[in-house]
Amino acid sequence: TQLLEQSPQFLSIQEGENLTVYCNSSSVFSSLQWYRQEPGEGPVLLVTVVTGGEVKKLKRLTFQFGDARKDSSLHITAAQPGDTGLYLCAGEGHPHAGGTSYGKLTFGQGTILTVHP
Amino acid sequence: EAQVTQNPRYLITVTGKKLTVTCSQNMNHEYMSWYRQDPGLGLRQIYYSMNVEVTDKGDVPEGYKVSRKEKRNFPLILESPSPNQTSLYFCASSFDTLAKNIQYFGAGTRLSVL
Repeated sequence: TQLLEQSPQFLSIQEGENLTVYCNSSSVFSSLQWYRQEPGEGPVLLVTVVTGGEVKKLKRLTFQFGDARKDSSLHITAAQPGDTGLYLCAGEGHPHAGGTSYGKLTFGQGTILTVHP
Repeated sequence: EAQVTQNPRYLITVTGKKLTVTCSQNMNHEYMSWYRQDPGLGLRQIYYSMNVEVTDKGDVPEGYKVSRKEKRNFPLILESPSPNQTSLYFCASSFDTLAKNIQYFGAGTRLSVL
């Protein structure tokens, strides 16, 4: 079973601060996805990173995939109250490195972010 | 409107009484998957299906069954529910490989097994 350790589990910050969420594993993933989930709703995909070392930006959010495709980070610049929510990372299996197949998705435990005005 | 529809949204049942949670998507997606979400554990994949008649186990398949007889439907079956299956369940679908496509989630089914 692949494991994906996400940290921190809780993050409470003031508006305007920067933050970083980490997802780490000893397993190689074929892709890694970041989701945001609001209470009472299903997760919504923010971004997918595929290539080792890849960096993607979505406005104030920057996503990075580790060179070895075992870890990823989400950095938010100048956080706003609207960024409040549950952030989830998820790694897709890599059949040629670890034995799990495409389509098998492992989620991190999630980070509950609260941004205070 | 493109969507993943789960039914029911809320269900309270008793131990041992078979139940089915339905999932349907109208986007002609090949990939479908079931997850359960529990506090402190995040989402855990139960089963997934890459296409019709193809299903594979996720990380927590024990106590669950699925079928994929047609592309649009992917029901989750609990033959003999137990209290440890009390959870929030999500169905999701994607056009093809997750690396290149968006996975869309349903609104969730909150199940309580007494």
